Amino acid sequence: AQRVTQPEKLLSVFKGAPVELKCNYSYSGSPELFWYVQYSRQRLQLLLRHISRESIKGFTADLNKGETSFHLKKPFAQEEDSAMYYCALQTSYGKLTFGQGTILTVHP
Amino acid sequence: DAGITQSPRYKITETGRQVTLMCHQTWSHSYMFWYRQDLGHGLRLIYYSAAADITDKGEVPDGYVVSRSKTENFPLTLESATRSQTSVYFCASSAVRGRVAEAFFGQGTRLTVV
Repeated sequence: AQRVTQPEKLLSVFKGAPVELKCNYSYSGSPELFWYVQYSRQRLQLLLRHISRESIKGFTADLNKGETSFHLKKPFAQEEDSAMYYCALQTSYGKLTFGQGTILTVHP
Repeated sequence: DAGITQSPRYKITETGRQVTLMCHQTWSHSYMFWYRQDLGHGLRLIYYSAAADITDKGEVPDGYVVSRSKTENFPLTLESATRSQTSVYFCASSAVRGRVAEAFFGQGTRLTVV
């Protein structure tokens, strides 16, 4: 069965510091992984997907199949990055299995 | 407006009552989903639908019923609400293209069962 683990429920950093949100997965098939973000009082939205190998709002994530990880990184955190972040694994038919979520707080 | 909308945004109901949460999307996406969001659990899939009249159970379907008579609507019914169903419910739709799909979420419905 598929599983996504985000080991940190809470993560606090200061503005300008690097940030890394951890995500590990287990899945027998070829993984399709995403990061979703939920800003305060807003709906959940896609941040980035591994297949695109893109950088959104300064965030990047690399799929490491050997370590079964998909950590989200940003070299210099900003206060507006404060939000709930979910790592998600797509299985069949577009279904998503989510991790428990990490609340990121960036202090001024 | 185009998009995916949920109603109501907030609902308080009593234990044992039947409650229906509505979800409507204007993109004609084939796939629709219902998730519940609980602290410590993230989002868990309740039910999903691949097309009109095709629905299937997700991870936590007990106590819930869905229907999809039209592509754009996917209501979720709690047949007899329990306090453990107090949660934030999110509806989502997605269009699968090749291997990858992007899910679009509604604003959420905060349900409290007293």
